[in-house]
Amino acid sequence: AAGVIQSPRHLIKEKRETATLKCYPIPRHDTVYWYQQGPGQDPQFLISFYEKMQSDKGSIPDRFSAQQFSDYHSELNMSSLELGDSALYFCASSLGLGEGANTEAFFGQGTRLTVV
Amino acid sequence: AQSVAQPEDQVNVAEGNPLTVKCTYSVSGNPYLFWYVQYPNRGLQFLLKYITGDNLVKGSYGFEAEFNKSQTSFHLKKPSALVSDSALYFCAVRYMNTGFQKLVFGTGTRLLVSP
Repeated sequence: AAGVIQSPRHLIKEKRETATLKCYPIPRHDTVYWYQQGPGQDPQFLISFYEKMQSDKGSIPDRFSAQQFSDYHSELNMSSLELGDSALYFCASSLGLGEGANTEAFFGQGTRLTVV
Repeated sequence: AQSVAQPEDQVNVAEGNPLTVKCTYSVSGNPYLFWYVQYPNRGLQFLLKYITGDNLVKGSYGFEAEFNKSQTSFHLKKPSALVSDSALYFCAVRYMNTGFQKLVFGTGTRLLVSP
């Protein structure tokens, strides 16, 4: 079965550079979540999209932006990178956001970003 | 605020013994509760969920979880632990927020199963 695809798997950037992370949800899934996981930490919610519109916003820095495109894939753009941005970035997708939606979210393998 | 708590940073158990990983939640309304497992440098894998119905939920790899509304708990259990079960386990709650659903994770519990 198709899973959530994230690219790239690994990324090394220098401070103040820009990075773009991509997420391709499971086919027919209309909801995408982005999470940041630092070493030894739990996943921190960044932002989510439903039907190409931002549905919720968490602890996402102003230097970061994201969007969901017409084919439902999503991109997380990170500018003015800092050393503290080094982390594992996960994307998850699920189906539906209404009260009746009870499906679990499926996660990609993540993108490991290292800022040097 | 809606949240989940995992009171144990680490759980140690010998192979073959039963294991329990604890999770409590604080959610107004009906909670949707999930357990995920994470192996090193891997994404989170879904184990099981509670939406409604039977309080005992069975999931992947022989894991099960018991929803207890009075104690607001959703502990993960397995009758006989395997060394390969050693991983990081996250409890999560999904709830409605301003018309959309939000997914929030606990801080994680590291399970170490010794041979």
